[in-house]
Amino acid sequence: EPEVTQTPSHQVTQMGQEVILRCVPISNHLYFYWYRQILGQKVEFLVSFYNNEISEKSEIFDDQFSVERPDGSNFTLKIRSTKLEDSAMYFCASSDSGGLAGSSYNEQFFGPGTRLTVL
Amino acid sequence: RKEVEQDPGPFNVPEGATVAFNCTYSNSASQSFFWYRQDCRKEPKLLMSVYSSGNEDGRFTAQLNRASQYISLLIRDSKLSDSATYLCVLNRDDKIIFGKGTRLHILP
Repeated sequence: EPEVTQTPSHQVTQMGQEVILRCVPISNHLYFYWYRQILGQKVEFLVSFYNNEISEKSEIFDDQFSVERPDGSNFTLKIRSTKLEDSAMYFCASSDSGGLAGSSYNEQFFGPGTRLTVL
Repeated sequence: RKEVEQDPGPFNVPEGATVAFNCTYSNSASQSFFWYRQDCRKEPKLLMSVYSSGNEDGRFTAQLNRASQYISLLIRDSKLSDSATYLCVLNRDDKIIFGKGTRLHILP
């Protein structure tokens, strides 16, 4: 069964360093997402991406964050200068259609997550 | 007021019992509704979508009441493997919004 994969499973970094979290979405999917979950908190939407551009982003997704699809398979989340409060589990997800207003939602498949620890 | 509210639990329920979860949402513009389950330190997985007419999938029944802005999930004949956190999720304007979840422990 196709699945979303993420690397690394755990990333430890020093405050102020840049990190890149990597995701390989399911191959025929067109919509890609990043979420984060701080320990003990709810899953929070960060950004959605379609057709090589951001389609929606949350208030959390500020200038320190960026996403890229550098080739046909990878989808990355970059945090430019990490802060202590960026420590969280970061989930990538993909779907074969988006949750656009007025359309039916298609299931988002989540990757296993990358645990980011900022020291 | 939070956009999605759930009782955090935990619900400790004996195996075989029926358990019900409730969820309320504040934004009437919310378009689609779902229940996800999340096992400890794992990713969320879609359990079922929730339709206005109510829908059932095996032991699971979901209901949506748009007038009251209320969603429910009923699990019948609970199994040990049902132990997890159940997340109420809605879709609005291409955003997916998760509730904090309700923890369920099925006791042998």
